[in-house]
Amino acid sequence: AQKVTQAQTEISVVEKEDVTLDCVYETRDTTYYLFWYKQPPSGELVFLIRRNSFDEQNEISGRYSWNFQKSTSSFNFTITASQVVDSAVYFCALNFGNEKLTFGTGTRLTIIP
Amino acid sequence: GAGVSQTPSNKVTEKGKYVELRCDPISGHTALYWYRQSLGQGPEFLIYFQGTGAADDSGLPNDRFFAVRPEGSVSTLKIQRTERGDSAVYLCASSWTTSGGGNEQFFGPGTRLTVL
Repeated sequence: AQKVTQAQTEISVVEKEDVTLDCVYETRDTTYYLFWYKQPPSGELVFLIRRNSFDEQNEISGRYSWNFQKSTSSFNFTITASQVVDSAVYFCALNFGNEKLTFGTGTRLTIIP
Repeated sequence: GAGVSQTPSNKVTEKGKYVELRCDPISGHTALYWYRQSLGQGPEFLIYFQGTGAADDSGLPNDRFFAVRPEGSVSTLKIQRTERGDSAVYLCASSWTTSGGGNEQFFGPGTRLTVL
């Protein structure tokens, strides 16, 4: 069985602060894929990143960075110099092959101007 | 290009009624997924199509729920004898299919179903 845990239900930070969203996963598969999606107030899920289980290189995209550690089964997401437009619910998800995504319960991030 | 579209955007119905929710995937995407998102929760998987056939329907909660994709493109999620607990946002997603898998799923805006 696959499981994704996002222990932080809600986070609030002041604009320009850095913030890290945690994600811990469980799977018995040796090949799997990890994702982060953003769900702004409009409701549509927006893809942010995908990693496969064989690629533990951290990735940076502008103000966003991701830290994948197989040893701790974690795939954390950091936003540097947060902006009000970053306010949204963020979901971590896991899948195997072409199959269903298993989502965490999400972290609601509020950036205070 | 056009993204995944879903109609209607909102549907209000009475308990016991039948509803159909439609999904138009991105052209050329062979995989199509239905998820359900309740308030404050992450999306939960319902069913996955590969072409015209349901490759995995393990997430359908009971036999009141059924989905079809007769021509391998548009899909319809059908709910019979709706119950108040069916109220949720129903999300559709589509993706390419490759041997390695793990392709990005593109999501539609969802249909908000309210059962009174």
